[in-house]
Amino acid sequence: RKEVEQDPGPFNVPEGATVAFNCTYSNSASQSFFWYRQDCRKEPKLLMSVYSSGNEDGRFTAQLNRASQYISLLIRDSKLSDSATYLCVVNPFYKLSFGAGTTVTVRA
Amino acid sequence: EAQVTQNPRYLITVTGKKLTVTCSQNMNHEYMSWYRQDPGLGLRQIYYSMNVEVTDKGDVPEGYKVSRKEKRNFPLILESPSPNQTSLYFCASRGTGLEETQYFGPGTRLLVL
Repeated sequence: RKEVEQDPGPFNVPEGATVAFNCTYSNSASQSFFWYRQDCRKEPKLLMSVYSSGNEDGRFTAQLNRASQYISLLIRDSKLSDSATYLCVVNPFYKLSFGAGTTVTVRA
Repeated sequence: EAQVTQNPRYLITVTGKKLTVTCSQNMNHEYMSWYRQDPGLGLRQIYYSMNVEVTDKGDVPEGYKVSRKEKRNFPLILESPSPNQTSLYFCASRGTGLEETQYFGPGTRLLVL
């Protein structure tokens, strides 16, 4: 079983729509969680950390469910510029484990 | 500006010809890693280093070597490249706190013929 699993998508949504997707992780000892964004084979960049109580950053909302071992990302009011691959990242200790990514395409 | 640099950005080589991809960071980070990214497989860690002279294997270390003689530099060495090492390579660095952001270099696209 992979350490981090994501639905690869793609999620094709119109501008203004809400899109949400999950990521599951296998190591129950995982201590920190992140969402990274990657554009077209460029380097991944941190989108947001994920906290136990859930957190928002503008149009982006991240949730953590430790009992079921998944994290989620919700994007509200999608923009064309949100088109990217979103990587789920889990840190059991010092080593980050990456999901293969969920591709989101926002169409005009 | 905080950054991780990699060179070269693009490289075409032939099987068996030794090559080195350099990586440098200016954030005084202890922790550095090398990843390869292949379609459908995501980012896989090749090697990592917790500090100077401390390196260890990641998930896919076969065919690669690294060294960490200075804190800022972490070169990736392919002693005898093979076509299955054709990939997109990223160097990354971060501090040691659990919530530390990992910064990636711009990537090196390698084609081994």
